[in-house]
Parts: sequence; C-alpha cells; structure tokens
Amino acid sequence: QVQLQESGPGLVKPSETLSLTCTVPGATKSNYYWNWIRQPPGKGLEWIGYFFYTGTINYKSSLKSRVTISMDTSNNQFSLKVNSVTAADTAVYYCARGIHPQKAFDIWGLGTMVTVSS
Amino acid sequence: QSALTQPASVSGSPGQSITISCTGTSSDVGSYNLVSWYQQHPGKAPKLMIYEVNDRPSGVSNRFSGSKSAYTASLTISGLQAEDEADYYCCSYAGGNTHVFGTGTKVTVL
Repeated sequence: QVQLQESGPGLVKPSETLSLTCTVPGATKSNYYWNWIRQPPGKGLEWIGYFFYTGTINYKSSLKSRVTISMDTSNNQFSLKVNSVTAADTAVYYCARGIHPQKAFDIWGLGTMVTVSS
Repeated sequence: QSALTQPASVSGSPGQSITISCTGTSSDVGSYNLVSWYQQHPGKAPKLMIYEVNDRPSGVSNRFSGSKSAYTASLTISGLQAEDEADYYCCSYAGGNTHVFGTGTKVTVL
C-alpha cells in the first residue's frame, strides 16, 4: 500500500510563505495525479490543486494567484507553496493521490497542521 | 465554485438505514457522474468510500451505496453500526480538471 507523508513547519507568520512537501516513493514516474487538499479547523475540505509527473499542473481558481505546486524528482517529493498567508490559511493540509484528474482521491496522507499566526 | 450542500447532521439507530444528500449545480453534480464520498473519523484523514457515484473501492463494506438524480447525489448507509459514526463529505468533478467538496455531514449513531 502506498504511504503518503506530509511534512513542513507547523507555524507560519502572516504575509509569509507556507511550504509543505509530500513524500511518495516512485511518484515521479507513476501515472497518478498528486493533489493537495486542506481542511480548516472544524470546517470542510477544500481542493487546492494537483501535479502530474509530465509537468501538468492545475489549481483551484480562487487560490491560483497564491499557490504553487511542483515536484522534486530527485527526492520523490511534491510540494505546495502558498504565498502571502493569512489566518484563513490555517488548516490541516493533506496530500492525496488521484488516478485521473477528474476522478476520486483514493489514497491520502495523514495530514499536517499549519497555523498562521504571529 | 461554491461548496456542495449537505445536511449538517444525520442520525440513526443501529441497524437502521440513513441517507446523506449532496446537492450541487449544473456545473458539477448535474453534469458529471463523478461524485465520490469520503468518511472521516475525528483526527483522521478522509477515506474513500464511494467513487463515480456508486462504485465501491475494494475493502469498503457493501453497506455503503451511492446514487444520483439530477443535481443531487446521495450516500446510503444500511445496517448502521457504531463504527459508521463519522463525518462524511461528498466531492464532485466541477469541470476544467477541478473538484468541489461538500459542506460535510456528521453522522451520529444513537
């Protein structure tokens, strides 16, 4: 069973950049879509975007101006950066695998909590 | 993209059946048979329970079933068990290779 593991700082200051990585052995050569999804405390899930190993990337339109998803092929990691964060970006961030850009997310990481606060 | 609408809570007694609705628009649920459902226990990651409206991944109990009519998808849990108590989220393809989640439903087993 594929294991996804998110990692990154748990605390980010307002206006700074949130940076997270998700480690997936073999991800760089696999035919899957690697997604980021977040969940503010006590609230619902929000899809952020995905990366495909060919370099195809797509983002939620309302976040597109602040979000970057990329892949580090040497470390089998894909990453998320969110610029100019505010308290509204406080959430548990999950990475999740999709077999197709239009279909379900079949494997999820455990999630990592990020708090935006000074 | 507005979140899909789900009831905040649904409850039932052990052994009963419950149904959770998920209402979208012509831009998402109404246009695609690409609705999935996720179960989330407190402090845990979501788990895929249903994909493409009514298909179950291997290992998911056949007590879980899905359906769709027009702009509303539904998840039915039959033979409700204590372990089914969790939050449930629907998700739909929304065009342009994007996705939208539902507002979430808390299922309580009485």
